[in-house]
Amino acid sequence: RKEVEQDPGPFNVPEGATVAFNCTYSNSASQSFFWYRQDCRKEPKLLMSVYSSGNEDGRFTAQLNRASQYISLLIRDSKLSDSATYLCVVNGGDNQGGKLIFGQGTELSVKP
Amino acid sequence: NAGVTQTPKFRILKIGQSMTLQCAQDMNHNYMYWYRQDPGMGLKLIYYSVGAGITDKGEVPNGYNVSRSTTEDFPLRLELAAPSQTSVYFCASRSGGQPQHFGDGTRLSIL
Repeated sequence: RKEVEQDPGPFNVPEGATVAFNCTYSNSASQSFFWYRQDCRKEPKLLMSVYSSGNEDGRFTAQLNRASQYISLLIRDSKLSDSATYLCVVNGGDNQGGKLIFGQGTELSVKP
Repeated sequence: NAGVTQTPKFRILKIGQSMTLQCAQDMNHNYMYWYRQDPGMGLKLIYYSVGAGITDKGEVPNGYNVSRSTTEDFPLRLELAAPSQTSVYFCASRSGGQPQHFGDGTRLSIL
């Protein structure tokens, strides 16, 4: 089983749609969780951290379920500019606290 | 605001050559990372460091070496370049519990 696994995608949605991405992780000791976006082989950029209570930033909502070892990202009212690859990132936990592992990414394409 | 600086941005190597990819950060971050990203694929962790003098292997360390003699610098060494090492290499740094900051990447081709 991969340490961090995401929906394979790609997701093709019309402008204004709501889209959700899922991510599972294997290490129950993991403590830090993030969503990044990456545009066309540029460097990944932080979208948002993920907190246990869930958190929202504008049109973006992140949820964490520790019992199921599951993270989600919800994008409401999709914009053309949201087209990118979304990366789930989890830290190694325990004595691997410094180790950050990326999921393979989920590609989103928002169409007019 | 320099952040994480990677050099060079592009490089072409011949099979068997060696080179060092440079990475420097000016944010006094303890943690530093090297990833590679092949076309259409996710980021794979090569090596990481939790502080000066400490390095650990990631998922794909074979064919690479690193050192961390200072907090600021984390160079990645390729000793005998192979075509399979053609990739985009990203360096990143962070403070504990915080998100990573990435460099712009080094695009490396081995022919």
